[in-house]
Amino acid sequence: SQQGEEDPQALSIQEGENATMNCSYKTSINNLQWYRQNSGRGLVHLILIRSNEREKHSGRLRVTLDTSKKSSSLLITASRAADTASYFCATGNAGNNRKLIWGLGTSLAVNP
Amino acid sequence: EAGVAQSPRYKIIEKRQSVAFWCNPISGHATLYWYQQILGQGPKLLIQFQNNGVVDDSQLPKDRFSAERLKGVDSTLKIQPAKLEDSAVYLCASSGWDRHSGANVLTFGAGSRLTVL
Repeated sequence: SQQGEEDPQALSIQEGENATMNCSYKTSINNLQWYRQNSGRGLVHLILIRSNEREKHSGRLRVTLDTSKKSSSLLITASRAADTASYFCATGNAGNNRKLIWGLGTSLAVNP
Repeated sequence: EAGVAQSPRYKIIEKRQSVAFWCNPISGHATLYWYQQILGQGPKLLIQFQNNGVVDDSQLPKDRFSAERLKGVDSTLKIQPAKLEDSAVYLCASSGWDRHSGANVLTFGAGSRLTVL
């Protein structure tokens, strides 16, 4: 079953702009992860934030987590055409750390 | 390190035929997953192995899908007989425990795209 719900479903921006995607979930989590999927490829792990963390950075990525609202956001700063991909959030639940629950994804198009 | 290998990359079959997909995970990864991803959707877990034992196969259509992981390394996923709605990308992933984050981080293969006509 899908737990994460990303919004927006699709996002189109110009190169250089920032892109923000959101993810909401329903149950208690141990961690939340973001993955990227380029067209026709497998998913690639981007960043993980633990339930006791509120913000995390990795290069041009910034992830926030609000456990009281059961939501997370992924910010990509200074976007590039190569960032064009689908982005998925996945939650590791408190009761089962080895199973991830996936959202439906946000499709990001960065126009040159 | 080598990534997760999958084959074939593409397969076209007619309905009611059978098909098999193969996956070789990252060396040392005890957990292996098979996901089904229909176009425009997120991955749906079909089956999860821990070594050669099944941890979760609750969403595997067992009347037509089967999977095995002999010797706790390579895995095969079989569909017999295939239906039109099985057209999807079948993703294999493996994971090891990340001690720094205390979490399971997945590494995916490129996927096997199945078209059922």
